[in-house]
Amino acid sequence: EPEVTQTPSHQVTQMGQEVILRCVPISNHLYFYWYRQILGQKVEFLVSFYNNEISEKSEIFDDQFSVERPDGSNFTLKIRSTKLEDSAMYFCAGKEGRNYEQYFGPGTRLTVT
Amino acid sequence: DQQVKQNSPSLSVQEGRISILNCDYTNSMFDYFLWYKKYPAEGPTFLISISSIKDKNEDGRFTVFLNKSAKHLSLHIVPSQPGDSAVYFCAASEDKIIFGKGTRLHILP
Repeated sequence: EPEVTQTPSHQVTQMGQEVILRCVPISNHLYFYWYRQILGQKVEFLVSFYNNEISEKSEIFDDQFSVERPDGSNFTLKIRSTKLEDSAMYFCAGKEGRNYEQYFGPGTRLTVT
Repeated sequence: DQQVKQNSPSLSVQEGRISILNCDYTNSMFDYFLWYKKYPAEGPTFLISISSIKDKNEDGRFTVFLNKSAKHLSLHIVPSQPGDSAVYFCAASEDKIIFGKGTRLHILP
């Protein structure tokens, strides 16, 4: 069964450094998302991406965040200058069509020190 | 603001019995609801969904009930099995998914 994959599984970085989190969605998916879950809190929406552009972003997704799908397979989330409060699990998700369920990757644990 | 609320942080159920997980929502415009299951160190796994035009959807041991007038949905698992021990998230979809805080289900032997 096809799966969403994410790399790395764990990323440790120093405050102020740039990180890129990578996702390979399921091949027939057209809608892509990033979510995050800070320890002990609920899963929160960050951004949605369709047809090579951002469809919607939350207020968490400020100028420090960006997404791209450079080669038609990878879907990346970049944080330009990480802050301590960016420490969280980051989940990529995708779906086939508008009224379909989303399938999630296993997550990347980002630790900012 | 919590648009999707799961008021029970945890629930313990004997193996073989029925597990009932509850969820309330505030936005009457939501028209598609989902339940996800999550194990530690894994991403949420889709379990079952329901459209607002229905009041029940069943898939094997899992049934979701929707009461639109009460803005309430519930997930029934019967019979409960040890592998069902996980965190269950209720969610509403308006393209993006809005998650509740989750209920940790413990299935007792």
